[in-house]
Amino acid sequence: DAKTTQPNSMESNEEEPVHLPCNHSTISGTDYIHWYRQLPSQGPEYVIHGLTSNVNNRMASLAIAEDRKSSTLILHRATLRDAAVYYCILRDEGYGGSQGNLIFGKGTKLSVKP
Amino acid sequence: NAGVTQTPKFRILKIGQSMTLQCTQDMNHNYMYWYRQDPGMGLKLIYYSVGAGITDKGEVPNGYNVSRSTTEDFPLRLELAAPSQTSVYFCASSFIQLSNQPQHFGDGTRLSIL
Repeated sequence: DAKTTQPNSMESNEEEPVHLPCNHSTISGTDYIHWYRQLPSQGPEYVIHGLTSNVNNRMASLAIAEDRKSSTLILHRATLRDAAVYYCILRDEGYGGSQGNLIFGKGTKLSVKP
Repeated sequence: NAGVTQTPKFRILKIGQSMTLQCTQDMNHNYMYWYRQDPGMGLKLIYYSVGAGITDKGEVPNGYNVSRSTTEDFPLRLELAAPSQTSVYFCASSFIQLSNQPQHFGDGTRLSIL
């Protein structure tokens, strides 16, 4: 299974941008990069995903390195509600069966200071 | 929209007791999953289902059973509860198992076995 490496924890100030890094040096050509986050006492929540190009949605932006061996989740203006554990997950493009199952690491715990 | 609903939210069991964790989704999703999350760790896949009548093992299936008689429901059964099964259990669903389809999670069942 493809692996990702994330810092254990990061801190940010409220209303400042946050860049959450993820290394995935063994990524294969068919792996999508997914980000989920888990707020305290809740289930994980989908944030964003991408394959090769940078992606934007209402929650965040995903910047993917040209060689795809690393990526960065960008929260443009952190709020207190963004304090959570953020998981970077590689997901095979395969259809059906166990392919594409999410494999969670420990993630990055983001703290946001007022 | 209810999404993925898990019951109960909390439960304490004695060693050797049995119980069923309930999960239902109202999004007409084909795929459903059960994960467990131990303190400070990421989620691990227990079982998953690609549709009614079809289930398969994930990474940590021992000690658990599942069934999928309807599209909406995916209960998880513990037959002989053991202290090692103390964990938070999350149910999730997705429309189809393609890499661009996010999984939607419930809020979890917190289970303690004493």
